[in-house]
Amino acid sequence: GAVVSQHPSWVICKSGTSVKIECRSLDFQATTMFWYRQFPKQSLMLMATSNEGSKATYEQGVEKDKFLINHASLTLSTLTVTSAHPEDSSFYICSARRVTSGYLTDTQYFGPGTRLTVL
Amino acid sequence: RKEVEQDPGPFNVPEGATVAFNCTYSNSASQSFFWYRQDCRKEPKLLMSVYSSGNEDGRFTAQLNRASQYISLLIRDSKLSDSATYLCAVSPDSNYQLIWGAGTKLIIKP
Repeated sequence: GAVVSQHPSWVICKSGTSVKIECRSLDFQATTMFWYRQFPKQSLMLMATSNEGSKATYEQGVEKDKFLINHASLTLSTLTVTSAHPEDSSFYICSARRVTSGYLTDTQYFGPGTRLTVL
Repeated sequence: RKEVEQDPGPFNVPEGATVAFNCTYSNSASQSFFWYRQDCRKEPKLLMSVYSSGNEDGRFTAQLNRASQYISLLIRDSKLSDSATYLCAVSPDSNYQLIWGAGTKLIIKP
């Protein structure tokens, strides 16, 4: 299967600081990556779609100036949580879309997630 | 009505039993369908893609019913290690965003 890495796996920071999370597709190129957030015992919530070489598309209610996304290459997307506050504490997960040919359909592969705790 | 709905859980099932999950979707033009499993405090991992003809992988069988707009997942001879939350995901259009169900938690008991 495809491998997606995410760094860091966990981070604790003070309120007001910015945190950058990296998502890398290690063995395939991903023109599209997705960023999700998941609160305890809740389902995944899509935050934004990250497209290589263009601006990210944000879901309704997600502040683009607070959650900065950069998809600078076909294997790397970054999410920066700016001026983090305790309510931003969550599990952030990226996924990368792998396109295959023929019968198989596009599939999303997930990174291991980043657990963010803002004090 | 939610776009993707799953059976509410949790399912408490004895080891060795067969368990079935259903997932309904509202958009009849949906293109792709998937089952993922998510362990506690971990990321979702792809379990199976769901094809029109149905597909089987060992103890797991997935089926798609386009007429009734649902997908199903059957787990036979359940193991303790099958305990997890099972998420269905549906891709509604060519953008390939996935719409997620809320997940069904499965607990296999010895």
